[in-house]
Amino acid sequence: AQSVTQPDIHITVSEGASLELRCNYSYGATPYLFWYVQSPGQGLQLLLKYFSGDTLVQGIKGFEAEFKRSQSSFNLRKPSVHWSDAAEYFCAVGARDNFNKFYFGSGTKLNVKP
Amino acid sequence: DVKVTQSSRYLVKRTGEKVFLECVQDMDHENMFWYRQDPGLGLRLIYFSYDVKMKEKGDIPEGYSVSREKKERFSLILESASTNQTSMYLCASRGTGENIQYFGAGTRLSVL
Repeated sequence: AQSVTQPDIHITVSEGASLELRCNYSYGATPYLFWYVQSPGQGLQLLLKYFSGDTLVQGIKGFEAEFKRSQSSFNLRKPSVHWSDAAEYFCAVGARDNFNKFYFGSGTKLNVKP
Repeated sequence: DVKVTQSSRYLVKRTGEKVFLECVQDMDHENMFWYRQDPGLGLRLIYFSYDVKMKEKGDIPEGYSVSREKKERFSLILESASTNQTSMYLCASRGTGENIQYFGAGTRLSVL
């Protein structure tokens, strides 16, 4: 069965520090991979996506993610976190053979210390 | 930019009431979705629609129904609201051939 695991429920980092949010997935083939961000009281905004090609993808707001097939992972990174990055982050997997099938992780809440 | 608009940000309803949550998208997308978001559970798909008057059940359709009479509008209906339906509801849309879902701001529903 398809699943997405975000092992960290909460993460706190200091402003200016680097960030890595983990995402592991279980899927029969290489899926489409996404990271979304949800600011408090808001809907989900797409940060970045991986469909094929270069396994390191760049997104908005200075985020990047790396697809590692051997580890079934798609971790999100940012070299220097800003206070405005405090939000909840969701990893998602999309089926290549059915664009209406999306599987979301349970989310990681990021707190940023001044 | 794709715009997905949910008509209410917050709703408070009583147990047993019929509740309508409305969603409108402005990009002529064929596919629209309703999700429910609960802490620690991520997003769970309730229903989706791939065309006007066409719908399919998602993972948790019990207690919900949907309506899509026009391409741009997708409604989620709680026939008889219950307290366990207190949640955040998110609408999304997707264009044909594109595997990206665009989300609205969400409706936070409280059923008392």
